[in-house]
Amino acid sequence: GAVVSQHPSRVICKSGTSVKIECRSLDFQATTMFWYRQFPKQSLMLMATSNEGSKATYEQGVEKDKFLINHASLTLSTLTVTSAHPEDSSFYICSATLTSGGEETQYFGPGTRLLVL
Amino acid sequence: RKEVEQDPGPFNVPEGATVAFNCTYSNSASQSFFWYRQDCRKEPKLLMSVYSSGNEDGRFTAQLNRASQYISLLIRDSKLSDSATYLCVARTLSNYQLIWGAGTKLIIKP
Repeated sequence: GAVVSQHPSRVICKSGTSVKIECRSLDFQATTMFWYRQFPKQSLMLMATSNEGSKATYEQGVEKDKFLINHASLTLSTLTVTSAHPEDSSFYICSATLTSGGEETQYFGPGTRLLVL
Repeated sequence: RKEVEQDPGPFNVPEGATVAFNCTYSNSASQSFFWYRQDCRKEPKLLMSVYSSGNEDGRFTAQLNRASQYISLLIRDSKLSDSATYLCVARTLSNYQLIWGAGTKLIIKP
């Protein structure tokens, strides 16, 4: 099956620093990737849609200047949490869309657990 | 009202029993539906797509009722390893975005 990786898997940082998270589709190309955030015992919340070669589309309430997304190639999207604060601590998950046989399936990365002190 | 609603559970079920979850969606334009499972502190993994005619994959059966706007997941002969949170997902044809339910937690007990 399709594989999506994320790096790092876990990060602890001080308040005010920036953190970059990478999402890679390892064995397929993805023109579209998604970034989600999940707080404990809550559902996945879509943050933004990352489109290769163009600007990301952010969901309502998600600050584009705080959560910078770059989708520079068909296999890599990055999310940078700028000036992180404790309330940004969460589980960040990316997914990539694989289109095959007319069907689209989203495959998820293993997630990045961010803790901001 | 949430676009995709699920009973959060938990459902406590003895091993070997049959268990079923429902999930309702509010957007009648939703065209594709999926069940994902998510283990604690892990990413969601696709369990199965849901087709209009209903579909089965081993012990798992998914059904779609467009008239009442709900989908269901039936698990037969439940195993301890089935313990997880099951997420219902809907998608419209207009974009690639998935709308997620909050999940139903299932606990299989020996």
